[in-house]
Amino acid sequence: SQTIHQWPATLVQPVGSPLSLECTVEGTSNPNLYWYRQAAGRGLQLLFYSVGIGQISSEVPQNLSASRPQDRQFILSSKKLLLSDSGFYLCAWSGPGHRSYEQYFGPGTRLTVT
Amino acid sequence: GQQLNQSPQSMFIQEGEDVSMNCTSSSIFNTWLWYKQDPGEGPVLLIALYKAGELTSNGRLTAQFGITRKDSFLNISASIPSDVGIYFCAGSTPGGSYIPTFGRGTSLIVHP
Repeated sequence: SQTIHQWPATLVQPVGSPLSLECTVEGTSNPNLYWYRQAAGRGLQLLFYSVGIGQISSEVPQNLSASRPQDRQFILSSKKLLLSDSGFYLCAWSGPGHRSYEQYFGPGTRLTVT
Repeated sequence: GQQLNQSPQSMFIQEGEDVSMNCTSSSIFNTWLWYKQDPGEGPVLLIALYKAGELTSNGRLTAQFGITRKDSFLNISASIPSDVGIYFCAGSTPGGSYIPTFGRGTSLIVHP
């Protein structure tokens, strides 16, 4: 069966520091991968998605970036964090074919920028 | 882009009551999805709907794909305390990048 991992689970970082969040998927090949941010108001904001290695699409311009160095690894980064980057970051994957619409989420990373 | 209106925004009910929530769209969708998010965790897919008029159950949960393809409904029967959480609908249009549009969620609180 497929599983998705995110780490770290929680993170407290000062303003201006760098960020690296990692997401890995097991049990599937060539998944579509997604990064979402969920603010306290609970809506899901799509940040990036990837349909293959090295292929990244950005939905919202900001100081975050994403990379996909391996088929089942998705990384969210920042060179300098802002207070507004605080939130709950969720990684998700979806499979091939018509079920590509079904996204499966990881456990999330709670980021607090101080 | 597409917009989803999810209602109600919040629900406070007694254990044992039935629950009904819905999503409406300004656009036609070919897929409707329903998720539940427990506090501090990622959303979990509950039900996926692919045909207009489709009615699908998952335990005490039942979801329907509206005939107009612009709405979907989720019902929970005989609610229990562990039903507490945020329920999200999501819809997708054919083609493109398989990116669903999410509703803003319905927060459900069940009083024992």
